[in-house]
Amino acid sequence: NAGVMQNPRHLVRRRGQEARLRCSPMKGHSHVYWYRQLPEEGLKFMVYLQKENIIDESGMPKERFSAEFPKEGPSILRIQQVVRGDSAAYFCASPRTGNMNTEAFFGQGTRLTVV
Amino acid sequence: DQQVKQNSPSLSVQEGRISILNCDYTNSMFDYFLWYKKYPAEGPTFLISISSIKDKNEDGRFTVFLNKSAKHLSLHIVPSQPGDSAVYFCAASALQGAQKLVFGQGTRLTINP
Repeated sequence: NAGVMQNPRHLVRRRGQEARLRCSPMKGHSHVYWYRQLPEEGLKFMVYLQKENIIDESGMPKERFSAEFPKEGPSILRIQQVVRGDSAAYFCASPRTGNMNTEAFFGQGTRLTVV
Repeated sequence: DQQVKQNSPSLSVQEGRISILNCDYTNSMFDYFLWYKKYPAEGPTFLISISSIKDKNEDGRFTVFLNKSAKHLSLHIVPSQPGDSAVYFCAASALQGAQKLVFGQGTRLTINP
């Protein structure tokens, strides 16, 4: 999973600030999935993007959260006006093909702490 | 609604013995199942998978068994090694749709020397 780059690894934000999480998938991959892991829980699907398109955002909270995957550059998960409940580990995954049934490579995650 | 459940939060096994991790699912549309392994402060790493047309898949020390009628799968690790100590996540997906993975809560496996 070293090929999927996420940054920053750790992010501390005060309540009300904005958090921007970045994910660069494996070279040549054009699909990105974002997952969130709350403490002591499994990973929960948030959003699936291809370059310049949101394919499935059914797991995204309706407010404050947005994601993009521009033609150039990394995918960005943006959380506006963060609250304590947003504290979690956020992982992006880069599957070999367009679906997660093939081996998918996860990044090391961004650990967001809201204080 | 927890569609994929790992009812054992933790499991302790002696080195050299067999580790058996269990997973149950409720959604009959799931037709592909995967196990991921996760070390602290790292992302999950794919371990092994199985399609619903099979009931067993083996890869070295790792074997996954699928019982579709019981909606149950298990991961067997034999022999267990200290490096196997990690959190193991069971995941499932449906071939139709966006194929997003649904994860269980994870089981923390500790291998004792």
